[in-house]
Amino acid sequence: AQSVTQLDSQVPVFEEAPVELRCNYSSSVSVYLFWYVQYPNQGLQLLLKYLSGSTLVKGINGFEAEFNKSQTSFHLRKPSVHISDTAEYFCAVSDQGYSTLTFGKGTMLLVSP
Amino acid sequence: DGGITQSPKYLFRKEGQNVTLSCEQNLNHDAMYWYRQDPGQGLRLIYYSQIVNDFQKGDIAEGYSVSREKKESFPLTVTSAQKNPTAFYLCASSTRTDGGTEAFFGQGTRLTVV
Repeated sequence: AQSVTQLDSQVPVFEEAPVELRCNYSSSVSVYLFWYVQYPNQGLQLLLKYLSGSTLVKGINGFEAEFNKSQTSFHLRKPSVHISDTAEYFCAVSDQGYSTLTFGKGTMLLVSP
Repeated sequence: DGGITQSPKYLFRKEGQNVTLSCEQNLNHDAMYWYRQDPGQGLRLIYYSQIVNDFQKGDIAEGYSVSREKKESFPLTVTSAQKNPTAFYLCASSTRTDGGTEAFFGQGTRLTVV
């Protein structure tokens, strides 16, 4: 069985500062990894995904993530955040060969001026 | 515009009543999913379907039922057997059933039991 751990439930940061949202996963098989963003009372939108190949993945809105197999991590980073990045961020994993996603509990990113 | 439509956006239900949440997609996706979201709990899989007339239980299927009579529709019924139904429900779909593709989400239905 898979599991996803997002270590921080909330991350407060000032505008234009860098941010890292942490995600660790456990699985006995090869996986696909995803980051989604959710704005209040809305559905989820894909930020980026790792399927194979380069371990550094670039996504929308200036976000990127690095897959580290030895540490079973997939941390999300942005070099300079904006007020509009305030949202909840979810890390998710699926086993290769299956389409169902297992989500972490989410990290609320709070960007203040 | 292509996408996933969930209706209604807000739903109130009396205890002991069944209620059905609608999910329609015009993306021609094979796979569809229902997730439940509670504050601080992330999303948990209720049911999923990879083909018409077939569906599988997810991690928290008790008290829920689904049908997949058409490719574009995957309604979820919250039955009176669901002990704590108040939650935000999200429907999603994806093109493939073997993973690796983006899941597209609807805007959600917030169900409140009164």
